[in-house]
Amino acid sequence: GESVGLHLPTLSVQEGDNSIINCAYSNSASDYFIWYKQESGKGPQFIIDIRSNMDKRQGQRVTVLLNKTVKHLSLQIAATQPGDSAVYFCAESSNTGKLIFGQGTTLQVKP
Amino acid sequence: NAGVMQNPRHLVRRRGQEARLRCSPMKGHSHVYWYRQLPEEGLKFMVYLQKENIIDESGMPKERFSAEFPKEGPSILRIQQVVRGDSAAYFCASSPRQATNEKLFFGSGTQLSVL
Repeated sequence: GESVGLHLPTLSVQEGDNSIINCAYSNSASDYFIWYKQESGKGPQFIIDIRSNMDKRQGQRVTVLLNKTVKHLSLQIAATQPGDSAVYFCAESSNTGKLIFGQGTTLQVKP
Repeated sequence: NAGVMQNPRHLVRRRGQEARLRCSPMKGHSHVYWYRQLPEEGLKFMVYLQKENIIDESGMPKERFSAEFPKEGPSILRIQQVVRGDSAAYFCASSPRQATNEKLFFGSGTQLSVL
C-alpha cells in the first residue's frame, strides 16, 4: 500500500548550520509532494511543495529536492535558526485527493 | 481572511460519552479533511468531505465515528461512546479544490482526552 516514511526520527543541528531532512515514499504514481512544519501544540504549517515534473524547488531559506528514480524527497533549510525547531513532515498526494503523511522528523536547533 | 477554525481546542470526555468536534474551513474552501494524530506520530487520514458529501472515509473506524459537512455550518466529526484509545489530537484541513495537486491548510486541532 501507500506509505511515506522518514529516515531519521530526530535531527540535531547547530544554529547557523544547514539542515537536511529526508523522506522516502513508496507510491511511484504520486505526483505532488509537500513539506509541513508542526510546532508543539499547533497544526501543521505549509512550508513548500513540489510537483513530479520538477526535481528542485526553492523558497525562502528552504529547498526541496525530488528524486523520482529512488523515490526520495528532501528538505534543506539554510542557516538554521532556533525558530526552525519543530517536527517536519513530508506528505504525498494520493490520486483520491488526500494527503498521506510520514512519521515526522524532529529538528532540534542548538544555540 | 481567517484560517481554518476548530473548536473546542481541548475536549475532555469520560468513557462512554459522545465527542463532537467542529471545523470551519477557510472562506471559499469547500473541501474538508479530518486527520488524527497520536503523540509522537504522524497524521493519519480519516475522512474527506465536500459540502453534503463524503468523498473518502477509508480512514474512519467502522463503528462509533461519523462525519458530516452540511450545506450550512461547520463540518462535524462525531465520536460516540468514546474509549481511552480515542484520546488524540484531531486536525481539520481545508482546500479550495481536491487535494490531488493542492496543499491543505490546517487548523490548530482539538485535543481530545478520554478519562
